[in-house]
Amino acid sequence: DARVTQTPRHKVTEMGQEVTMRCQPILGHNTVFWYRQTMMQGLELLAYFRNRAPLDDSGMPKDRFSAEMPDATLATLKIQPSEPRDSAVYFCASGLGQGAIDEKLFFGSGTQLSVL
Amino acid sequence: KQEVTQIPAALSVPEGENLVLNCSFTDSAIYNLQWFRQDPGKGLTSLLLIQSSQREQTSGRLNASLDKSSGRSTLYIAASQPGDSATYLCAVRSRPRGSQGNLIFGKGTKLSVKP
Repeated sequence: DARVTQTPRHKVTEMGQEVTMRCQPILGHNTVFWYRQTMMQGLELLAYFRNRAPLDDSGMPKDRFSAEMPDATLATLKIQPSEPRDSAVYFCASGLGQGAIDEKLFFGSGTQLSVL
Repeated sequence: KQEVTQIPAALSVPEGENLVLNCSFTDSAIYNLQWFRQDPGKGLTSLLLIQSSQREQTSGRLNASLDKSSGRSTLYIAASQPGDSATYLCAVRSRPRGSQGNLIFGKGTKLSVKP
């Protein structure tokens, strides 16, 4: 049963610490998205990759956030230094990209981040 | 800038009732629209995807319609069950404007179906 895998599921850290979240997209998918979900803002796009190339990271605070795809099976989202306002659930999603016949996005279960 | 709005924010209905969830978007230039379900503490599950050229999609008790010109979509749930209780999110994939398209989400409608 193919699924998007995110680790860790939960992370509690102190302000100023580095946080790394990992995502394994579904094998064969060529697009990867990072979203952040909060009660106030809902789901916000942070970064978007297609064929491992970053296409849109305009939603990401670049001074502290960075997103990479070292290879087709791994996407990472790093926050350094973390701040309490970064507390949220971070979702990774993968898909077959625009133009695919059955284009749907598949979400992981998320990483719940608490920055104290 | 594309904006997606879902009304109502929360809805409570008795079991067995048919119901409609609404989604509106400001820019009609979209590739497709998806409806997702999110259970508490979980990720999102795609329910239905409607391409911009389509008017509706059906899956079991769910039917989603799309009126692109008016910027509206509805999700119809027939014979609701307590297991349908979840938050339902609508998302549109916008056409690129100098960049690749991405999904823009509404804030969701939290549905509670009472036994």
